[in-house]
Amino acid sequence: QKEVEQDPGPLSVPEGAIVSLNCTYSNSAFQYFMWYRQYSRKGPELLMYTYSSGNKEDGRFTAQVDKSSKYISLFIRDSQPSDSATYLCAMTGGTSYGKLTFGQGTILTVHP
Amino acid sequence: GAVVSQHPSWVICKSGTSVKIECRSLDFQATTMFWYRQFPKQSLMLMATSNEGSKATYEQGVEKDKFLINHASLTLSTLTVTSAHPEDSSFYICSAEGGQGRRNTEAFFGQGTRLTVV
Repeated sequence: QKEVEQDPGPLSVPEGAIVSLNCTYSNSAFQYFMWYRQYSRKGPELLMYTYSSGNKEDGRFTAQVDKSSKYISLFIRDSQPSDSATYLCAMTGGTSYGKLTFGQGTILTVHP
Repeated sequence: GAVVSQHPSWVICKSGTSVKIECRSLDFQATTMFWYRQFPKQSLMLMATSNEGSKATYEQGVEKDKFLINHASLTLSTLTVTSAHPEDSSFYICSAEGGQGRRNTEAFFGQGTRLTVV
């Protein structure tokens, strides 16, 4: 079993839809949770990070962490074609923010 | 955000040759750099962690003699794939974690290097 599970999709939604992306994990030591966006043949860019359980909102993006269920989510409101990318969840125990365990990534396409 | 530059962006090499990939932090001093590998439609897998001036720490299953990592300064780490084989073809990505005033809640990724071994 992988430490982090993420449905690879692909996920296709119309412009303006609310997108829900999810990951589950098994390692209870994870404390920092990140969401990265990766365009084709590019390095990942950080969208959001959350410490422990709770919600965090940044513009059209909302990240949720439920440590009791070992489940994290990213919601994208009013999705745009420019949001089309691969979304990767990542997490770490906190000793190093760069030593990350990634999910497989979900391929998202937002069509006009 | 901070800038991490990776060079080259893509490289094709012959089987048996060596390839060096550079990772530079352009506007901060990176106390720690990380090297990941990503196969098509798969996740990023951590290969090794390197700290400036010390030996890299490799993840289980990663051959340290094949993937040579040097972190000679606070702004540069290099990954050399030695005696490359076609199965080494992959997307290699570095990330840098900063100190010196850079908040340590984020690691910044380079743009990646696509290696094709023929």
